[in-house]
Amino acid sequence: GAGVSQSPRYKVAKRGQDVALRCDPISGHVSLFWYQQALGQGPEFLTYFQNEAQLDKSGLPSDRFFAERPEGSVSTLKIQRTQQEDSAVYLCASSLQGLQRHQPQHFGDGTRLSIL
Amino acid sequence: SQQGEEDPQALSIQEGENATMNCSYKTSINNLQWYRQNSGRGLVHLILIRSNEREKHSGRLRVTLDTSKKSSSLLITASRAADTASYFCATDRGSTLGRLYFGRGTQLTVWP
Repeated sequence: GAGVSQSPRYKVAKRGQDVALRCDPISGHVSLFWYQQALGQGPEFLTYFQNEAQLDKSGLPSDRFFAERPEGSVSTLKIQRTQQEDSAVYLCASSLQGLQRHQPQHFGDGTRLSIL
Repeated sequence: SQQGEEDPQALSIQEGENATMNCSYKTSINNLQWYRQNSGRGLVHLILIRSNEREKHSGRLRVTLDTSKKSSSLLITASRAADTASYFCATDRGSTLGRLYFGRGTQLTVWP
């Protein structure tokens, strides 16, 4: 079946512009996660949704970052007034169950964001 | 903040050799997971080992977990050039919320 799909794959924006990154999780997956991965580092958690509810947004670096999943499937990560330090790969992952231990996460290929 | 610490940071071997990567962590866990990431791609789940398990196998992969030492190892036997990738360990820090805490990864290069 189809995996997690993210778009766009690459995004270049000028400092100060707003960007929106999209994630289509695996159909039927309850949990959805966003991670930020800087070059040469492991992914760092941003936020977590169980269906449409955003249960954890403690990893969002500032109030310029906003995520939503209004119908419990597709999610959008929005970054307002982008800064150069926002340049990174943004990864989306989904898993089948909510609030369960012992589940693997299925990752998309990410959106590589470059802020000029 | 990063949770796991993988070592070595980089590993270079010949095809056919075994590759061993280690991971240390600092908190209690429900499970520890290993992921692979090819350049420019997302992470692919390899193995999940629960805190009450000591060893797990999947094909050419063998994972061990020592909760008393808060460490895990990933062994890839009879490596292939296609195994070239970054390998990450991730833990849940004992939470059920699902978020994972990753280390910085080990870059494995397998030469043909």
